Amino acid sequence: KQEVTQIPAALSVPEGENLVLNCSFTDSAIYNLQWFRQDPGKGLTSLLLIQSSQREQTSGRLNASLDKSSGRSTLYIAASQPGDSATYLCAVMDSSYKLIFGSGTRLLVRP
Amino acid sequence: DAGVIQSPRHEVTEMGQEVTLRCKPISGHNSLFWYRQTMMRGLELLIYFNNNVPIDDSGMPEDRFSAKMPNASFSTLKIQPSEPRDSAVYFCASSLGDSFYTFGSGTRLTVV
Repeated sequence: KQEVTQIPAALSVPEGENLVLNCSFTDSAIYNLQWFRQDPGKGLTSLLLIQSSQREQTSGRLNASLDKSSGRSTLYIAASQPGDSATYLCAVMDSSYKLIFGSGTRLLVRP
Repeated sequence: DAGVIQSPRHEVTEMGQEVTLRCKPISGHNSLFWYRQTMMRGLELLIYFNNNVPIDDSGMPEDRFSAKMPNASFSTLKIQPSEPRDSAVYFCASSLGDSFYTFGSGTRLTVV
């Protein structure tokens, strides 16, 4: 059974710092890996999608990497801003197109 | 497209009552998913449909929960009878194949 783990559970950094969020999964048979952002009381917003054949994807200050063989992904946020404060969720798509989510990393960027 | 549309946004009901949550997926998407989010358990997949057919309902917690997708543009999740432990945010999402999921804004259910 696929399990997705995110570390750390919470992170507090000063504005301007570069940071890395970690995600690991137990079954490497995935179609893709997706990173989402969730603001308090809101739905999920898609950030990046990495296909299983890809190693990384970039969008603005965000860069996500995927090492399928080791079951790991990282989300790198450059020059963090207070507006980046949210919960970041990692999810892997299994062979039946289901997304299995981690429990998230709650990020606070202090001004 | 207006995205995935869920209704109602909030629902407060008494224990034992029937609750129906509604979802309109993005036009052209062929998969629809119902998730439940709680502080304790995070995001859990309840059921998903492909081309309007239920594919996997192993996440549906009990027989009190049922879901339907009568056509490509509408799905319902029903809880009958509702219990306080069903209180959560219920999300609907849709996708096309292995593409991005698009989530609705969710329905916050409170059962008192």
